[in-house]
Amino acid sequence: SQKIEQNSEALNIQEGKTATLTCNYTNYSPAYLQWYRQDPGRGPVFLLLIRENEKEKRKERLKVTFDTTLKQSLFHITASQPADSATYLCALNTGGNKLTFGTGTQLKVEL
Amino acid sequence: EAGVTQFPSHSVIEKGQTVTLRCDPISGHDNLYWYRRVMGKEIKFLLHFVKESKQDESGMPNNRFLAERTGGTYSTLKVQPAELEDSGVYFCASSQDLRMISGYNEQFFGPGTRLTVL
Repeated sequence: SQKIEQNSEALNIQEGKTATLTCNYTNYSPAYLQWYRQDPGRGPVFLLLIRENEKEKRKERLKVTFDTTLKQSLFHITASQPADSATYLCALNTGGNKLTFGTGTQLKVEL
Repeated sequence: EAGVTQFPSHSVIEKGQTVTLRCDPISGHDNLYWYRRVMGKEIKFLLHFVKESKQDESGMPNNRFLAERTGGTYSTLKVQPAELEDSGVYFCASSQDLRMISGYNEQFFGPGTRLTVL
């Protein structure tokens, strides 16, 4: 079956460290992959998009990689801060404009 | 600029009742989407409007769900009659059509409506 899996339900790291979140998918050949941030009581907020022909994309402290052979994307937050604590979702466009989301990883950055 | 708004923020109803959720997209966005997240599961696509037309309704779970977007502005999602398994958070999103420019449409999400069916 078609599935998008993200590593562990929760990830706790220390402030200043790099957080690395994983997104694995099966049975898709997406043209691009997106990462969203979701805070409690709010809707997902778009962060970054990476295309199938791109290996890496950066935006400030965020970095995304995309390996279409492994069917995997890695999402890195460098110099993490408590304000980065949130749930991070990866999503694929799986037909037209439809987004298919992963299960999400809850990140907690501790002082 | 106002973002996507949804009303109500929370609704508690009894099984068998009817509930109508409303979404106001960002002004000028022709694309409007409904998603939902049931407890412990991932966010799932329900349907996609382009203006007032249903472009893709492949995610609608059954005929108890009816979505409309008369006039191509705001949209409503009606659940009638509601069942226990309909409980969850219903998100609305909207986007411009930028596929010819960037190849994709960035979707802007509303805060969601939490529906509880007792």
